[in-house]
Amino acid sequence: KAGVTQTPRYLIKTRGQQVTLSCSPISGHRSVSWYQQTPGQGLQFLFEYFSETQRNKGNFPGRFSGRQFSNSRSEMNVSTLELGDSALYLCASSVGGQDLDSPLHFGNGTRLTVT
Amino acid sequence: DAKTTQPPSMDCAEGRAANLPCNHSTISGNEYVYWYRQIHSQGPQYIIHGLKNNETNEMASLIITEDRKSSTLILPHATLRDTAVYYCIVSFDYKLSFGAGTTVTVRA
Repeated sequence: KAGVTQTPRYLIKTRGQQVTLSCSPISGHRSVSWYQQTPGQGLQFLFEYFSETQRNKGNFPGRFSGRQFSNSRSEMNVSTLELGDSALYLCASSVGGQDLDSPLHFGNGTRLTVT
Repeated sequence: DAKTTQPPSMDCAEGRAANLPCNHSTISGNEYVYWYRQIHSQGPQYIIHGLKNNETNEMASLIITEDRKSSTLILPHATLRDTAVYYCIVSFDYKLSFGAGTTVTVRA
């Protein structure tokens, strides 16, 4: 079974621009979560989607948004980029049951650099 | 905020068992204990999880104390490729909170 696929692998953007990151979950997985990882803050939860609906949201500003499509693929968008948005953005997928009895499987992330 | 406490680092000899402790004294009844590891520049890799009972899979064993306030991840025969940051997480939903983890260095 193919793992979680994230594209692109690396991205360089300029302050003020916007960016869209893509995630293809493992086949059959209906839950997709997004995380931001920085050296200072570690891994932080952004949001989680299940069946095209946002089910959980972390403490990030509204510039960070996401969506999920009917085939469970997901995108996240960051508008008006700031230097502090430079990070590794990780996507994780899961079967998506009511509780967390099925593990999250992570992709290898998109490394975003804002200059 | 992470709800677990782990030692910041530990060393292990190749071929020996590595025992990684985790304290989660405020765990709720419906929260699972999850272990992940991360090798530099890669996404976290799922290792094992459990609710109340001890669990074993091809990668590791998870021992959860009876009161569920702590757990131990056991890597039975550590190899150099097990060098990574190991995260212990407790959660009942998909909003995982990662702490600093334990940096495990396996030495030849």
